[in-house]
Amino acid sequence: DVKVTQSSRYLVKRTGEKVFLECVQDMDHENMFWYRQDPGLGLRLIYFSYDVKMKEKGDIPEGYSVSREKKERFSLILESASTNQTSMYLCASSSDGPHEKLFFGSGTQLSVL
Amino acid sequence: AQTVTQSQPEMSVQEAETVTLSCTYDTSESDYYLFWYKQPPSRQMILVIRQEAYKQQNATENRFSVNFQKAAKSFSLKISDSQLGDAAMYFCAYVTNFGNEKLTFGTGTRLTIIP
Repeated sequence: DVKVTQSSRYLVKRTGEKVFLECVQDMDHENMFWYRQDPGLGLRLIYFSYDVKMKEKGDIPEGYSVSREKKERFSLILESASTNQTSMYLCASSSDGPHEKLFFGSGTQLSVL
Repeated sequence: AQTVTQSQPEMSVQEAETVTLSCTYDTSESDYYLFWYKQPPSRQMILVIRQEAYKQQNATENRFSVNFQKAAKSFSLKISDSQLGDAAMYFCAYVTNFGNEKLTFGTGTRLTIIP
């Protein structure tokens, strides 16, 4: 059974902390994505990666960075967490770009206090 | 920029009945893909159905089917014989087949199934 695993289901952090959200996929997919989900706003793309060591900004990259040192792992980094980054974060992967089926993780609900 | 609009924040349907979720999109492209994703309470999004714009025939997956109206830029999802397990958030999504592809999601419709 194919899997996208996000390291934490719930996370509580303090303002100003550096936060790492980890995502691992076991499907040997080239493409990985980080989305943010907020009520009434749907899913918005933060960053994506089409290859190891490669990253591209999505629609809302401000305040975030990413790391992809290995094909199976794509990390989202909040350099200095702020309360407006309280949200649900979803990681996804696909074999050949977003026009193919995306496989999602179960999400990380992040609260920044 | 492409936009995807889901005008129904919430819908409900009696178990075993049929329900239709609406989605419209705005694009100047002619070659693109449309999707419906389901997010159950477990939060893990799964693909329900996928439509390629150049295909005239509406996609179907068991009890799920779409009504794709390209000229009207409309892509509705019909769920037949609704089951309790269909209760979820449903997101419509669009991606072009050209350039730097980025999947654009709508704001979602929460579907409740009434036993």
